[in-house]
Amino acid sequence: GQSLEQPSEVTAVEGAIVQINCTYQTSGFYGLSWYQQHDGGAPTFLSYNGLDGLEETGRFSSFLSRSDSYGYLLLQELQMKDSASYFCAVRDRADDKIIFGKGTRLHILP
Amino acid sequence: NAGVTQTPKFRVLKTGQSMTLLCAQDMNHEYMYWYRQDPGMGLRLIHYSVGEGTTAKGEVPDGYNVSRLKKQNFLLGLESAAPSQTSVYFCASSYSGAGHNEQFFGPGTRLTVL
Repeated sequence: GQSLEQPSEVTAVEGAIVQINCTYQTSGFYGLSWYQQHDGGAPTFLSYNGLDGLEETGRFSSFLSRSDSYGYLLLQELQMKDSASYFCAVRDRADDKIIFGKGTRLHILP
Repeated sequence: NAGVTQTPKFRVLKTGQSMTLLCAQDMNHEYMYWYRQDPGMGLRLIHYSVGEGTTAKGEVPDGYNVSRLKKQNFLLGLESAAPSQTSVYFCASSYSGAGHNEQFFGPGTRLTVL
């Protein structure tokens, strides 16, 4: 089976940088995805790492290291609107099942 | 282009009642998924479908059934609702293929079982 571990909560200051880690145990997957979810809303896709390394999309970057079974989401120049929950997810190569981590709640202080 | 829509948005059931949640997508996606979300539990996969006429079990399939008779629709059924099924239900869809990992989510259905 597959499991993904994330910290339950992270707190950072507006304008700062924060990193949200995701460690996983899986036998085989296509890549690591990240989603953002605001309170009362639906998850929205942020980024995807199919290969090892860093992917950058504006203020957000995501990293994957398959050898370390580890990935992270990096948020720069934090804004109050970034206060949300962030989920990592993988899609199993064998059966296309998509599994999510339990999510990290990001609190941003002014 | 409506994306992914879910019907209904809210529902209250009594224990033992049945209901069907409807998910529809207009993006011609092959893959469709049903998740439930409970506080502190993240998104847990109930059932999913990789194409019209096919369905498969996810992490928490017990107490639910699904059907994918048309490519654009994915139905989730609760035959005999239980209080433990009180949750927010999200439907999602995506393209198939190794390079397509972005899921598009519907707005969710908030279900309460009394």
